[in-house]
Amino acid sequence: RKEVEQDPGPFNVPEGATVAFNCTYSNSASQSFFWYRQDCRKEPKLLMSVYSSGNEDGRFTAQLNRASQYISLLIRDSKLSDSATYLCVVNQRDYKLSFGAGTTVTVRA
Amino acid sequence: DGGITQSPKYLFRKEGQNVTLSCEQNLNHDAMYWYRQDPGQGLRLIYYSQIVNDFQKGDIAEGYSVSREKKESFPLTVTSAQKNPTAFYLCASSPAGGYTEAFFGQGTRLTVV
Repeated sequence: RKEVEQDPGPFNVPEGATVAFNCTYSNSASQSFFWYRQDCRKEPKLLMSVYSSGNEDGRFTAQLNRASQYISLLIRDSKLSDSATYLCVVNQRDYKLSFGAGTTVTVRA
Repeated sequence: DGGITQSPKYLFRKEGQNVTLSCEQNLNHDAMYWYRQDPGQGLRLIYYSQIVNDFQKGDIAEGYSVSREKKESFPLTVTSAQKNPTAFYLCASSPAGGYTEAFFGQGTRLTVV
């Protein structure tokens, strides 16, 4: 089983729609969780950290479900500029961050 | 400006040659990482370093070597032993290892010709 697994998509949604996707992780001892955004041929950039109680940053909401070992990302009121690949990132041990292969989101006009 | 600088942005290598990718950070971060990304795949860890003069192999270290003589610098050498080196290489740093987010350089795209 992969350490971090994501639905690759693509999720193709119209502007203004809500889109949500999950990521599962294998290590129940993981402590830190993040969502990164990666644009085509660019470096990943931190979108948001994911906290146990769930957290929101503008139109983005992240949730953590430790019992089922998954995190989720929801994007409300999608914009064209939200088109990107979203990477789920989980720490496996004190030094190591493991990355999922990414979920591709395309927002169309 | 604080950040991570990778150079060069594009690199072409002939088969059988060693090449070195540069990574410098001025964020005063202790931990530094090298990842490789292939099309349609996630990032895979090559090497990491938590402190100066110490580094550890990641998941795909074969054919690569690193050094960490200064806190700011973590160069990666892709040796001729790496059989499929064409990829996008990303350097990252973080203030406290895996418990905090990592910050990435802009990447080096290596192509074997």
